[in-house]
Amino acid sequence: QVQLQESGPGLVKPSQTLSLTCTVSGGSISSGSYYWSWIRQPAGKGLEWIGRIYTSGSTNYNPSLKSRVTISVDTSKNQFSLKLSSVTAADTAVYYCAREKYYYDSSGYYKMTFDYWGQGTLVTVSS
Amino acid sequence: DIQMTQSPSSLSASVGDRVTITCQASQDISNYLNWYQQKPGKAPKLLIYDASNLETGVPSRFSGSGSGTDFTFTISSLQPEDIATYYCQQYDNLPQTFGQGTKVEIK
Repeated sequence: QVQLQESGPGLVKPSQTLSLTCTVSGGSISSGSYYWSWIRQPAGKGLEWIGRIYTSGSTNYNPSLKSRVTISVDTSKNQFSLKLSSVTAADTAVYYCAREKYYYDSSGYYKMTFDYWGQGTLVTVSS
Repeated sequence: DIQMTQSPSSLSASVGDRVTITCQASQDISNYLNWYQQKPGKAPKLLIYDASNLETGVPSRFSGSGSGTDFTFTISSLQPEDIATYYCQQYDNLPQTFGQGTKVEIK
């Protein structure tokens, strides 16, 4: 059974960089047809996709955050990480890591789901 | 970005009731739509993929339908354990986007 676990500081000061790591257990981060994503959720609000990485190192980011986001992967540790720079109070949220499972159907169309999620970690931006 | 609009934003229903949630995309997304359930303090859980396919292990009272811009999620007989917020998610285009959620409560 695949499990994902977020770790990192729960409190970050404004203008600093938020850094989180997601450790994957129960399977290799390098195997299979998967992207590895970060998603966040401000208190009482909806879900926002931040970005994803493939184990080759290829990344995609949400344009709304692209200038501040870096996602990286360490296959030797079975981990991937998120860095979000120049944070403000608006970045306060629960941050989830998630596995994006993808495949191509019989017609060659790309299909995906977020099939495994971490439990989430609350990051508060405050001085 | 593709905007996903869910309605209603919340609803209250009795145990055994049929519950329907709609999700409208701002452009045609074919059937590139998933539904998730999120219970308080928990991560979302996949229920329906590709608009109408039930994820393995998910009770058959959950179902989804639709294509293009208009989608429906249904709980055929609401159970107490279904209390949660439900989200639709499109993946036709990056960035993947979610609806704002529908909170389901027991009357």
